Amino acid sequence: SQTIHQWPATLVQPVGSPLSLECTVEGTSNPNLYWYRQAAGRGLQLLFYSVGIGQISSEVPQNLSASRPQDRQFILSSKKLLLSDSGFYLCAWSVLRDASEAFFGQGTRLTVV
Amino acid sequence: DAKTTQPNSMESNEEEPVHLPCNHSTISGTDYIHWYRQLPSQGPEYVIHGLTSNVNNRMASLAIAEDRKSSTLILHRATLRDAAVYYCILRGNTGTASKLTFGTGTRLQVTL
Repeated sequence: SQTIHQWPATLVQPVGSPLSLECTVEGTSNPNLYWYRQAAGRGLQLLFYSVGIGQISSEVPQNLSASRPQDRQFILSSKKLLLSDSGFYLCAWSVLRDASEAFFGQGTRLTVV
Repeated sequence: DAKTTQPNSMESNEEEPVHLPCNHSTISGTDYIHWYRQLPSQGPEYVIHGLTSNVNNRMASLAIAEDRKSSTLILHRATLRDAAVYYCILRGNTGTASKLTFGTGTRLQVTL
């Protein structure tokens, strides 16, 4: 069966520090991969999505970047965190066939202090 | 991106059916209608999806209007565990149209 791993679950980072969040998917190949952010009390904002290795689409200009070095690995990064980067970060995957459902990781709660 | 419109919030009594509406008047012919829900401090959970015909699964039913410009998620007997934010999303099946873009959703409150 397919599973998605996202870590860490919580993270407290100082302003100006780098960030690296990792997401891996097991049990499937060539998934679509997504990074979302949810600010406190707000909806989910799509940050990046990828349809294949090295193919990244950015949805909004921001202080973050994403990379997909392997088929089932998706990384969210920042060189210098801002206070406004705080939020709940979620990784998700889906297959394209029949516009099927997406599966979400458990999320990383990032607090920038 | 085709957009959806949902009420901000709804309330239901436990053990009663709940009908959550969604309008998507700009839906294209290849867009699937997806529903997800999000419990507090968790990632969204898939509920159901459909294209043209009504769909049923163990969690809910999806009723799709004949012109596909609206749909309704039906929870047959609401429980306290169904209290969540419910999102209605349109998803294409090719390329960039396949991305999932969430709106603000409907916050469902279930009371005893």
